[in-house]
Amino acid sequence: QVQLQESGPGLVKPSETLSLTCSVSGDSIRTYFWGWIRQPPGKGLEWIGYIYYSGDTNYSPSLKSRVTISLDTSKNQFSLTLNSVTAADTAVYFCAVGRGGFVDYWGQGTLVTVSS
Amino acid sequence: EIVLTQSPATLSLSPGERATLSCRASQIVSSHSAWYQQKPGQAPRLIIYEASQRATGIPVRFAGSGSGTDFTLTISSLESEDFGIYYCQQRGTWPWTFGPGTKVEIK
Repeated sequence: QVQLQESGPGLVKPSETLSLTCSVSGDSIRTYFWGWIRQPPGKGLEWIGYIYYSGDTNYSPSLKSRVTISLDTSKNQFSLTLNSVTAADTAVYFCAVGRGGFVDYWGQGTLVTVSS
Repeated sequence: EIVLTQSPATLSLSPGERATLSCRASQIVSSHSAWYQQKPGQAPRLIIYEASQRATGIPVRFAGSGSGTDFTLTISSLESEDFGIYYCQQRGTWPWTFGPGTKVEIK
């Protein structure tokens, strides 16, 4: 069993950087992907991107210019950085771990509000 | 980007009834689709992957079918705990995408 926990600020000012960390505990997940998904309030789900244990990444084309996902295997953590945020980035952000493109494990989600 | 369309938007059924949810992809995704259930205030939960494979711990009343562009999630006999929003997802082509969801209401 794998447990995920997001951490980071719940409020970010417009034009600033959103940074979240996901701590992973439980079974070995070296063969999984480690990703981020977001959900604006009352809306659907959107993939942000993912990283493999090898360090290979893939980002949503709509966010690619602003997003970085990194991995710290020594701490069993991975992180999301989203630059130049606007109100449109307000969402619940989920960290996610899975195989084959599907999410087996989800964090509880953390609401990030972009507002001055 | 592959767009997923789900129907109906809302399904209101009584316990014991059969629920049929549909998902259509704008391009062929082979069998690379999944279904998730999300309840209010919770993260989604994987129900079906690779079109027809039940995820760990998922009851047999949930069944997935389809390939290519059309997929179906069937709940054979609804239980009260099955309420929520069901999202389909494709991983045939990056960016992986989700459908807009079908809300299942229990009468």
